[in-house]
Amino acid sequence: DTEVTQTPKHLVMGMTNKKSLKCEQHMGHRAMYWYKQKAKKPPELMFVYSYEKLSINESVPSRFSPECPNSSLLNLHLHALQPEDSALYLCASSHPGQGINQPQHFGDGTRLSIL
Amino acid sequence: EDKVVQSPLSLVVHEGDTVTLNCSYEVTNFRSLLWYKQEKKAPTFLFMLTSSGIEKKSGRLSSILDKKELFSILNITATQTGDSAIYLCAVNDMRFGAGTRLTVKP
Repeated sequence: DTEVTQTPKHLVMGMTNKKSLKCEQHMGHRAMYWYKQKAKKPPELMFVYSYEKLSINESVPSRFSPECPNSSLLNLHLHALQPEDSALYLCASSHPGQGINQPQHFGDGTRLSIL
Repeated sequence: EDKVVQSPLSLVVHEGDTVTLNCSYEVTNFRSLLWYKQEKKAPTFLFMLTSSGIEKKSGRLSSILDKKELFSILNITATQTGDSAIYLCAVNDMRFGAGTRLTVKP
């Protein structure tokens, strides 16, 4: 088990559903990340929060909506997803970099399937 | 556009072999290069490199950065089946290379 907890571990949803992915860490990290990973591909950065403010949005479609309600929690709200959105969604956290990247701690991910 | 290229993409070796994985990059304002190991789920952090020529070592794994030639290598000596994984390198802004899939056969 990792120090970054993601729930649920698996999610199957229809294209009209609304669901949320959750991520929690208690390491005092003030940077949190969402990645999307397709099979046999590397993680692709989606969003970065630094001190609870959105600092990077990698031109992600609006059907993905991130939220960082506090320094320990990160949510990803999903609505009207497409079958190609099926993937492993990874959350990570780190100390915010001061000019350099900081090592990230990853959760085990949520495997999302869109019917 | 920033680029991170890993090679080889796939590698099959036998236990006891030594392997060298490569990560080359073209980025503006280089800050650091990180290596991760991904087995079934979460990538786990291995090394962070910021300065040229300084080897980082952890057990049978070691890594070094060359900022002049813009690459890093990850060495694994005396490989074991537990080293089988995808090895990812990430440079600036959390952008990952495609990874090297290493398979170590008994």
